Amino acid sequence: EVQLLESGGALVQPGVSLRLSCAASGFTFSNYAMSWVRQAPGKGLEWVSLISGRAATTSYADSVKARFTISRDNTKNTLYLQMNTLRAEDTAVYYCAKVEASTKGYFDYWGQGTLVTVSS
Amino acid sequence: EIVLTQSPATLSLSPGERATLSCRASQSVSSYLAWYQQKPGQAPRLLIYDASNRATGIPARFSGSGSGTDFTLTISSLEPEDSAVYYCQQRSSWPITFGQGTRLEIK
Repeated sequence: EVQLLESGGALVQPGVSLRLSCAASGFTFSNYAMSWVRQAPGKGLEWVSLISGRAATTSYADSVKARFTISRDNTKNTLYLQMNTLRAEDTAVYYCAKVEASTKGYFDYWGQGTLVTVSS
Repeated sequence: EIVLTQSPATLSLSPGERATLSCRASQSVSSYLAWYQQKPGQAPRLLIYDASNRATGIPARFSGSGSGTDFTLTISSLEPEDSAVYYCQQRSSWPITFGQGTRLEIK
């Protein structure tokens, strides 16, 4: 059974850094691209970043480019999101999502999310 | 960036009725469009990918159609558990984008 468990969410002040983690199990982690998708309170879904299975390629939404870094440790089956210079508008539930293999652009499994609140 | 516009914003129907949800893209996405269902307090669930393919375990009452810029998610006979917000998503070009969602209420 595929399981994705996010952690690291917190209440932080603007300008600080935070790292999210996503522990994966139930599938061969290194074979799949992974992504972060966020959802501000009461709002819709926003794609944040994606990383290929071997970490050779990464992509970012313009809203987080140069502030956020996605990475993965395939020996630990863990996905990360390093978030720097956090802003109030980064407040959201952050979901870790597995990218569907054959199409490489859809998300077939999701974690339950971790809440990041940026406020002074 | 490709903008996805969903309509209606809210849909209120009774059990057994047919639901038709629309997603329009600002430019062609070919058939590279998915639909997700999200219930309150839960993560999204993939329903349909590549416009018309049901994801694993999705009931046959869910179907998708369309190509280019106009897409439809149809729920043929509504069940109470279909109450949720439905999102479309395109993977045709970067960045990946989602529609703003349609809230489906079951009376």
